[in-house]
Amino acid sequence: QKEVEQNSGPLSVPEGAIASLNCTYSDRVSQSFFWYRQYSGKSPELIMSIYSNGDKEDGRFTAQLNKASQYVSLLIRDSQPSDSATYLCAPVDSGAGSYQLTFGKGTKLSVIP
Amino acid sequence: GAVVSQHPSWVICKSGTSVKIECRSLDFQATTMFWYRQFPKQSLMLMATSNEGSKATYEQGVEKDKFLINHASLTLSTLTVTSAHPEDSSFYICSARDRASNTEAFFGQGTRLTVV
Repeated sequence: QKEVEQNSGPLSVPEGAIASLNCTYSDRVSQSFFWYRQYSGKSPELIMSIYSNGDKEDGRFTAQLNKASQYVSLLIRDSQPSDSATYLCAPVDSGAGSYQLTFGKGTKLSVIP
Repeated sequence: GAVVSQHPSWVICKSGTSVKIECRSLDFQATTMFWYRQFPKQSLMLMATSNEGSKATYEQGVEKDKFLINHASLTLSTLTVTSAHPEDSSFYICSARDRASNTEAFFGQGTRLTVV
């Protein structure tokens, strides 16, 4: 069974600081990874995708992927109170052409003004 | 990004009745739609994968006769919760995959179902 592990938090950081969110996954064949942000009572919204080892930067967000270690992370620079949400890591299982996301339980981030 | 519209946003129904939830891709053709369920403080759990024109594939433990999925067109999939019970109360979310983007999927707004 595919597993995605995330620290449930809450992770509290002061406004302006860097928030670091981590995720490990069990499925070695996963090639694509998504980070979603979910506000309470809302559906997830995609904030980052990463497909290759290394770093990928998009604005204040940087995703890091290490397939050998089965580890993916998300850094949020200059954290804002509006970043307070639950962040979900989701490796993609594209076996048999199906494309399925397996979600971790998410890390709840709280940015303190 | 592409838009996925889910309707209704919330619904309250009596125990024993059925509820239909619609998921529409508004500006793209969705070859595959996914239905998730999320209980409070839990992660999204995939219920079923729906491919246009074919039967849905259900995850282990999800009753296909209770959660009826229809994906009759490239822009519409429906989930019907039949004979709903209070334990079916949950947040139901669909996502649709854009054929053009190859891997990215977009989520609907979700439906909060409360069975009383």
